[in-house]
Amino acid sequence: GAGVSQSPRYKVAKRGQDVALRCDPISGHVSLFWYQQALGQGPEFLTYFQNEAQLDKSGLPSDRFFAERPEGSVSTLKIQRTQQEDSAVYLCASSSRQGSSGYTFGSGTRLTVV
Amino acid sequence: GENVEQHPSTLSVQEGDSAVIKCTYSDSASNYFPWYKQELGKGPQLIIDIRSNVGEKKDQRIAVTLNKTAKHFSLHITETQPEDSAVYFCAAIVEWGNQFYFGTGTSLTVIP
Repeated sequence: GAGVSQSPRYKVAKRGQDVALRCDPISGHVSLFWYQQALGQGPEFLTYFQNEAQLDKSGLPSDRFFAERPEGSVSTLKIQRTQQEDSAVYLCASSSRQGSSGYTFGSGTRLTVV
Repeated sequence: GENVEQHPSTLSVQEGDSAVIKCTYSDSASNYFPWYKQELGKGPQLIIDIRSNVGEKKDQRIAVTLNKTAKHFSLHITETQPEDSAVYFCAAIVEWGNQFYFGTGTSLTVIP
């Protein structure tokens, strides 16, 4: 597609519920990143994929967070047993090149845990 | 890891005036510094970037300067327009590294 597409745009989850957030990167982009953006803050790194390989997951805040990209294209970020502190905008970005230089962000999914 | 600080957190200017946003970073290995503009409800959009072998880069009304010795870089917007109103983020990274380190953002308001 023309840009990075994320769905849903908004998600309200009850505390303890599991959620799955989807990212469709730009076609052919090798690198894919997930970031978490709390209200009024800059994005913070969660994880990085090169094709289907998850090369860096150092930013995932807990073992409740899990990301996958099984076919090297679409990626899903899953959060189990959501907590209020998980409320944030989750941004996906993709790049045609290895590493982070020159990547394009999606519009994000705003997750609210109530 | 890298620590990026950004100032000011909010900035209001009259249309036509200039706006300057400043960032500092801590890791001397960082060598790529992009600036992103984020409008309400949208993801960050790259507006300009600079690499460590360059001291200044300009693109129409937008310019970025880099002082590697002092570890700071700045965004300059001249002849501001109302459509420049948004949140601006600086970032730093070791190029080809895995993650950007973002500043905390500057909310710019251009008053018509």
